[in-house]
Amino acid sequence: SQKIEQNSEALNIQEGKTATLTCNYTNYSPAYLQWYRQDPGRGPVFLLLIRENEKEKRKERLKVTFDTTLKQSLFHITASQPADSATYLCALDKFGSSNTGKLIFGQGTTLQVKP
Amino acid sequence: ETGVTQSPTHLIKTRGQQVTLRCSSQSGHNTVSWYQQALGQGPQFIFQYYREEENGRGNFPPRFSGLQFPNYSSELNVNALELDDSALYLCASSRLAGGPDNEQFFGPGTRLTVL
Repeated sequence: SQKIEQNSEALNIQEGKTATLTCNYTNYSPAYLQWYRQDPGRGPVFLLLIRENEKEKRKERLKVTFDTTLKQSLFHITASQPADSATYLCALDKFGSSNTGKLIFGQGTTLQVKP
Repeated sequence: ETGVTQSPTHLIKTRGQQVTLRCSSQSGHNTVSWYQQALGQGPQFIFQYYREEENGRGNFPPRFSGLQFPNYSSELNVNALELDDSALYLCASSRLAGGPDNEQFFGPGTRLTVL
């Protein structure tokens, strides 16, 4: 069955450093991969979508890579700030070739940025 | 703010009872999806509604049912509540039914506790 895995252990980094989060998937050939941010007690907020034919995508201090051979996406936050502390979720569409909104999420990685 | 609202914020029920959760989407958003998020896990897809018809379902039993109304509101109904139904229930709406621009807007969620 389709499976998405993210580092379950929390990631603790110092302010100003680059945070790198990993998302691996199996039994799947998605056309799109998405990253969301979730703060405690809140719903996820969409950050970035990357397509299978895009190796890398950037948005301000965020960078996402998508390696369909390794079946892996890396999510980077450069010059991290304490306000970046949150849980980050990786998501793929249930129907791999589409982006229907029927999402399968990883379990999320909690990032803590210390001042 | 995404413009997606959910009510109530918190709810406590006992095993065997029935519950109705509500979601109000942004105007023009014809698609609404519901997710269940257990503590420490990523959201799990329950089902999706498009123009008031069910448009796909995850691995949830029939006691989970839904409705979507013409005024961009929707409901999630759960019958015969079980202890494992305790979770954060999220709705997400979108303007489109698919494609790379099909961004999902999540509400803040309803925290359901089943005793």
